[in-house]
Amino acid sequence: ELKVEQNPLFLSMQEGKNYTIYCNYSTTSDRLYWYRQDPGKSLESLFVLLSNGAVKQEGRLMASLDTKARLSTLHITAAVHDLSATYFCAVDRSNYQLIWGAGTKLIIKP
Amino acid sequence: DGGITQSPKYLFRKEGQNVTLSCEQNLNHDAMYWYRQDPGQGLRLIYYSQIVNDFQKGDIAEGYSVSREKKESFPLTVTSAQKNPTAFYLCASRNSGGGQPQHFGDGTRLSIL
Repeated sequence: ELKVEQNPLFLSMQEGKNYTIYCNYSTTSDRLYWYRQDPGKSLESLFVLLSNGAVKQEGRLMASLDTKARLSTLHITAAVHDLSATYFCAVDRSNYQLIWGAGTKLIIKP
Repeated sequence: DGGITQSPKYLFRKEGQNVTLSCEQNLNHDAMYWYRQDPGQGLRLIYYSQIVNDFQKGDIAEGYSVSREKKESFPLTVTSAQKNPTAFYLCASRNSGGGQPQHFGDGTRLSIL
């Protein structure tokens, strides 16, 4: 069965701390996507990782992909309250479909 | 600006009624998608379309129908057969080929009266 598993599913952390969200997947895909969703809002594309060893950074967020381990990480550096959101990873099932993780709800306390 | 427009933002359905959610994109994307999101949950695929006049069922197509008569439009009808329609519905589109992210509309929140 094709699966994408995120952990943790819920994370509460203090501002200024570092943390990592993990995304494991069971397919042989080498294309992985990270999205952000604010409460009551739609999804916004954050990162597209297209090959083994790919690393992308935007501000305090950095995403990486290890296709051999079928693992992607989203690292948060010196967290700030504005990063509070739900983060989803997704993997290509085919050229048209994605398999989605369940999402990680991140709460950053001042 | 290019983007995806969903309407209405909020929709209420009466018992036995069919309702249609609109999704229009001006990104010139070939593929379009409909997802359902329940509170605190992830995304579940309802239908998708790779090309005009063609569409495929996703994981939870029962009680829903779609059409794709124009490249830019992919409306979703929630039929009376869908007994639990209350959810947040998201439309997305994507360029053809791999390695392209899906782009999302702002969503429609559907509730039962």
